[in-house]
Amino acid sequence: GQQVMQIPQYQHVQEGEDFTTYCNSSTTLSNIQWYKQRPGGHPVFLIQLVKSGEVKKQKRLTFQFGEAKKNSSLHITATQTTDVGTYFCAGPSARQLTFGSGTQLTVLP
Amino acid sequence: EAGVTQFPSHSVIEKGQTVTLRCDPISGHDNLYWYRRVMGKEIKFLLHFVKESKQDESGMPNNRFLAERTGGTYSTLKVQPAELEDSGVYFCASSQGSGARAFFGQGTRLTVV
Repeated sequence: GQQVMQIPQYQHVQEGEDFTTYCNSSTTLSNIQWYKQRPGGHPVFLIQLVKSGEVKKQKRLTFQFGEAKKNSSLHITATQTTDVGTYFCAGPSARQLTFGSGTQLTVLP
Repeated sequence: EAGVTQFPSHSVIEKGQTVTLRCDPISGHDNLYWYRRVMGKEIKFLLHFVKESKQDESGMPNNRFLAERTGGTYSTLKVQPAELEDSGVYFCASSQGSGARAFFGQGTRLTVV
């Protein structure tokens, strides 16, 4: 079945440093979605990328979808303490929406 | 617009007991998913409904778990009998189409003691 892998599993950064998480799918995706889960909260949708090579920005967050539509990345510039949480990518198939293992981001003040 | 609602928010039960979790998706969303997150790890897929039909239940751990979605509206997930390893946060999510963005409920934190 489809597998979606994410690295790293954990990342500790000093406030103001950059952060990147990478997502790889075993199959070509029709789209890739990114979610954020704050500690004690529930996953919240951030963005969806559809086109090969697509790049989207949300303030300090930059999302990329690979040319082969099998990998994606999320980059945060100049992290803030509000960025703390776990970031998940998710790839749909005909039968389910598969989530990556997530990257837990800790931002040290 | 009301979001996805889950009930209860917390449940503490003893090993061997039965627990039923409920999820009310966003009105009009045919797709309903159940996921589980254990000890801050990955969001593990359990199953996917399209309307009242089970599209994929490959993630259900064993036959102690039973999910239903009668009438294609709300869904229930019953665990009977519960075991210690069933503890975790159970999330329900719904979407308009398969592969569309998912809206998550607040989750049910299940603790089996």
